[in-house]
Amino acid sequence: QLLLEESGPGLVQPSGTLSLSCTVSNGSITTTNHYWGWIRQSPGEGLQWLGYIYYSGSTSYNPSLRSRLTMSINTSANRFSLKLRSVTAADTGVYFCARHGGSRDGHLPGLNWGQGILVTVSS
Amino acid sequence: QSVLTQSPSVSGTSGQRVTISCSGSPSNIGSNYVYWYHKLPGMAPRLLIYRSDLRPSGVPDRFVGSRSGTSASLAISGLRSEDEGDYYCAAWDDSLSGFVIFGGGTKLTV
Repeated sequence: QLLLEESGPGLVQPSGTLSLSCTVSNGSITTTNHYWGWIRQSPGEGLQWLGYIYYSGSTSYNPSLRSRLTMSINTSANRFSLKLRSVTAADTGVYFCARHGGSRDGHLPGLNWGQGILVTVSS
Repeated sequence: QSVLTQSPSVSGTSGQRVTISCSGSPSNIGSNYVYWYHKLPGMAPRLLIYRSDLRPSGVPDRFVGSRSGTSASLAISGLRSEDEGDYYCAAWDDSLSGFVIFGGGTKLTV
């Protein structure tokens, strides 16, 4: 069973950069047609897709966050990461990493998710 | 930005059948698969339906997904208390270089 686990600071200063990593175990991050992405849920809100990255380094981002978002991947560590710049209180929420399907599956999050990590933007 | 529209809430009693709808547009549901997820507080979303009408192993056949035109629906029959929670539809949207879009979620009360 593929396992994903988020890690990173639980508190970020306003105007700072939110940095999270997701470590994948029991499977390779370089598997063909496996894409690796992030979804978040702000308090009282619904799910918001942030983006995904492929092991080749190609990415797809939510247009509303594209100017502040960078994703990267470390294949030797079986880990991928997210950086969200210039954060405000609106970026507070639970951040989930998830394996996404390939083009045949519409590039959507599938069966494998991390448990989520709460990130609070506050001074 | 494109949106997927879901009713905020739906309710039913044990054993009943309910339907959750998801309305989109030609650029998302009209041309791409729909996925459905069940979300409980403090838990990661659980995939219920993929490729619009397929169930992953372990998801009961009480959950049935369908898609027609620019709309999709999730029917849940034989309602059980553990079905309570939030349900989200999602689809790929072909506009703006492409992105994943989630519906606003529907809260099911049993």
